[in-house]
Amino acid sequence: QSALTQPPSASGSPGQSVTISCTGTSSDVGAYNYVSWYQQHPGKAPKFMIFEVSKRPSGVPDRFSGSKSGNTASLTVSGLQADDEADYYCSSYAGSNTVVFGGGTKLTVL
Amino acid sequence: QLQLQESGPGLVKPSETLSLTCTVSGDSFSSSHYSWGWIRQPPGKGLEWIGTIFYSGTTYYNPSLKSRVTISVDTSENQFSLKLTSVTAADTAVYYCSRHVVRVKYSVDYWGQGTLVTVSS
Repeated sequence: QSALTQPPSASGSPGQSVTISCTGTSSDVGAYNYVSWYQQHPGKAPKFMIFEVSKRPSGVPDRFSGSKSGNTASLTVSGLQADDEADYYCSSYAGSNTVVFGGGTKLTVL
Repeated sequence: QLQLQESGPGLVKPSETLSLTCTVSGDSFSSSHYSWGWIRQPPGKGLEWIGTIFYSGTTYYNPSLKSRVTISVDTSENQFSLKLTSVTAADTAVYYCSRHVVRVKYSVDYWGQGTLVTVSS
């Protein structure tokens, strides 16, 4: 069970869109539609942003969207705002009642 | 509003056992819709799923930590606990307790504030 692969960094200007990838294997991301995304501001606990690949919990703006193709899931943040600057982590169900996280992506709003 | 609060020593010596407790305030602790677990984050690094426990006591662990980890539940106190044996400096991390949504395969919808545990002599 290896960590999912995310790019270390991503960036975009206010109002633009940015997409963060999360690559796993046919045993985790590719096998199940149970990919989640979390936002973490410095010094804070992560916040639940996306579940089941593309569903948003109550209160999460529709500027945040998720998708999946094969072994790679993606998080798109549209209409970038200053407060979107944070670390983003994906996770996936990996079978046998276990979960694996990605290494995290630092999103910078230019 | 659900609240989770970690407690335990912030400093543990190498080779000893790390012990943390999470106290849950709210009415979902006994629900079969949720499990309760631990996730850690070494300083400056990513998140690592440690394991999860159901109210019934059923547990599931990260295979890479399974030999050293025990998660237990105290239903009378609305608490669950983590024990990690034979710790090394690599176990230094912020440890988060959390609620996991069973229906969507353990997505984490609530997190504690986290507690930093340093392994050092």
